[in-house]
Amino acid sequence: GAGVSQSPSNKVTEKGKDVELRCDPISGHTALYWYRQSLGQGLEFLIYFQGNSAPDKSGLPSDRFSAERTGGSVSTLTIQRTQQEDSAVYLCASSSPLGSGGRVYEQYFGPGTRLTVT
Amino acid sequence: KQEVTQIPAALSVPEGENLVLNCSFTDSAIYNLQWFRQDPGKGLTSLLLIQSSQREQTSGRLNASLDKSSGRSTLYIAASQPGDSATYLCAVGPGGTSYGKLTFGQGTILTVHP
Repeated sequence: GAGVSQSPSNKVTEKGKDVELRCDPISGHTALYWYRQSLGQGLEFLIYFQGNSAPDKSGLPSDRFSAERTGGSVSTLTIQRTQQEDSAVYLCASSSPLGSGGRVYEQYFGPGTRLTVT
Repeated sequence: KQEVTQIPAALSVPEGENLVLNCSFTDSAIYNLQWFRQDPGKGLTSLLLIQSSQREQTSGRLNASLDKSSGRSTLYIAASQPGDSATYLCAVGPGGTSYGKLTFGQGTILTVHP
C-alpha cells in the first residue's frame, strides 16, 4: 500500500518568509510524528499527534514552529519568519494504533522535505 | 534526558563479512527500540522493532538484540552485501505516555565493498 508522503520534496525560501510543509500519513494510522534532521543536530523530535489527544509539542524549538492535523489525517508543519538555522530535512512518520495488527508503534517515515533558507 | 550513542561512527567491510553495529542508551526506562536504515537523500526505512519485554528480533539476515538493563542493543548483519551500504540509525522510545517521542543516535555509516 501507499506509504507516508510529504510535499514539497524541496523548498527554498528567503529568510523571514513563512513556509508550510505537508505530510500524508499511511491510511488508518492514528499517530503522526514530525522530526527534523540537520547536519549538526542529527535527528530531532519536533511534535507528535495521537488520535484526538492533545499533541506533544515538547520538541518544537521555538514559537515560530507550529503544526496541525486536520481530520485525523493530513498534517501541516508551519514555520514562520524562517531563519537560516531552520534549514534541514523535515521528516514525517506515522504509526498504527495499539492492537490493530502489525508491529505496535513501529514508525514509518516519509521521504522528507529539504528546506533551505537563504 | 535520554542520550543514544552508536559505535562505530563509520564502518567499511568487504562483501560477505558478518558485522555488528552497537547502540547504547542512558535511560533504561524505554518502551521500545527501533533500528532504521537511511540511504543518501532518502527517508528512513524501518528494519526491526524490539519491545522492551523482548530480547531480540530477526528479519532475514538481520538480528537485533536488546539488553535493557545494561542500556545496549546490537544489530547483527550476516553475509553483508554492497546493497547493505547505508546509514544505520538506532532510536529508543520512552515509557509512559510519550512513547512516540523517539530519541535517535547519530548513526553508523556502513560501506560494503565488492
